[in-house]
Amino acid sequence: GESVGLHLPTLSVQEGDNSIINCAYSNSASDYFIWYKQESGKGPQFIIDIRSNMDKRQGQRVTVLLNKTVKHLSLQIAATQPGDSAVYFCAERGRNNAGNMLTFGGGTRLMVKP
Amino acid sequence: DTEVTQTPKHLVMGMTNKKSLKCEQHMGHRAMYWYKQKAKKPPELMFVYSYEKLSINESVPSRFSPECPNSSLLNLHLHALQPEDSALYLCASSPSPIGNTEAFFGQGTRLTVV
Repeated sequence: GESVGLHLPTLSVQEGDNSIINCAYSNSASDYFIWYKQESGKGPQFIIDIRSNMDKRQGQRVTVLLNKTVKHLSLQIAATQPGDSAVYFCAERGRNNAGNMLTFGGGTRLMVKP
Repeated sequence: DTEVTQTPKHLVMGMTNKKSLKCEQHMGHRAMYWYKQKAKKPPELMFVYSYEKLSINESVPSRFSPECPNSSLLNLHLHALQPEDSALYLCASSPSPIGNTEAFFGQGTRLTVV
């Protein structure tokens, strides 16, 4: 989801459930995508990436899905844990004449209930 | 060493002060970035350095002046800032300006302009 005004979209899940966080990206020329996790007071932390020639990539407990037709990215977290509580950002890397630029989407806050 | 180190962690400055934010990485990365992040918003790109040269300036006001003294260091010089410049300033690096690889972020400097 994308942020509107001062409020981040929030996803609240029960511990142990699966989480799905969505992101719409804007640049059809972007060829590389990253999901970052940001905890309060910290910098963004890499979770998983995917190149545009793929539509799915799996990591440990996380899966990223890419749908280039509708410019949509999703992050699936299996067996969500309290430590997964954070703000999640998708980022796309597009190219311009000066080189790569990493542009962030609006962010979604994930809250895990014990 | 897989860290991007930013100093100071917190900074309070008056509108007439001059201060500098520092960023250091020893991963041999040749692209370094400054981002600004306001509360509940995604990081916004300010500057990109590629091979120690400024390659992207996202129309940032001249009261922010970046400097890249060598391939490991990135500074952001601040002068005559406004209260609305208060934000979390994030430094990041990536191996190459042209490759599809993640950007590694520091923990940020929380800047308050009074």
